[in-house]
Amino acid sequence: QVQLHQWGAGLLKPSETLSLTCAVFGGSFSDYYWSWIRQPPGKGLEWIGEIDHSGTTNYNPSLKSRVTISVDTSKKQFSLKLSSVTAADTAVYYCAGGTYNYGFWGQGTLVTVSS
Amino acid sequence: QSVLTHPPSVSAAPGQKVTISCSGSSSNIGNNYVSWYQQLPGTAPKLLIYDTNKRPSGIPDRFSGSKSGTSATLGITGLQTGDEADYYCGTWDSSLSAYVFGTGTMVAVL
Repeated sequence: QVQLHQWGAGLLKPSETLSLTCAVFGGSFSDYYWSWIRQPPGKGLEWIGEIDHSGTTNYNPSLKSRVTISVDTSKKQFSLKLSSVTAADTAVYYCAGGTYNYGFWGQGTLVTVSS
Repeated sequence: QSVLTHPPSVSAAPGQKVTISCSGSSSNIGNNYVSWYQQLPGTAPKLLIYDTNKRPSGIPDRFSGSKSGTSATLGITGLQTGDEADYYCGTWDSSLSAYVFGTGTMVAVL
């Protein structure tokens, strides 16, 4: 049974960098793609990007210039950095994992951007 | 703006059936597997259907998935009050090289 636990700062000021980390427990880390997905308040899901165990990434074209996803296979963790945040980046951020779908989800972190 | 579109809401009485459509294009639904997710209020999404029509362990057979051309459909039979949630389709978009989600459908049990 794969479980994900995520953490990171929940309150940021405009222009700061969002930083979140997700730890994977159970299962084979190398078998899956690991992703970040966000959900603005009252809105739908938006895929941010993904990484595999080798460090190969894919990013949402609309966020690509500001996003970095990295992996630490020794710790079975992956991380998200989103630079130059604005109020539009306020959302619940989820880490997730799977193979061409997302069967595993973290608990979610509400990140609020406010001056 | 999502490239996959859902009806905003559907509703039915307990015990009835609902279907939720997800409309896309040849770069996503037309040539890739579709997944469906259920999001209960205040919780993380949960995988309901993967590879278009397969159910993960523990998902009852009241939930089913299908696809025709560039549209996918989620069916829920024997509707229960616990099924009240938002439902999203998702798939890979080969043109965007990105995973895309549908706009979401809220299911209400009357």
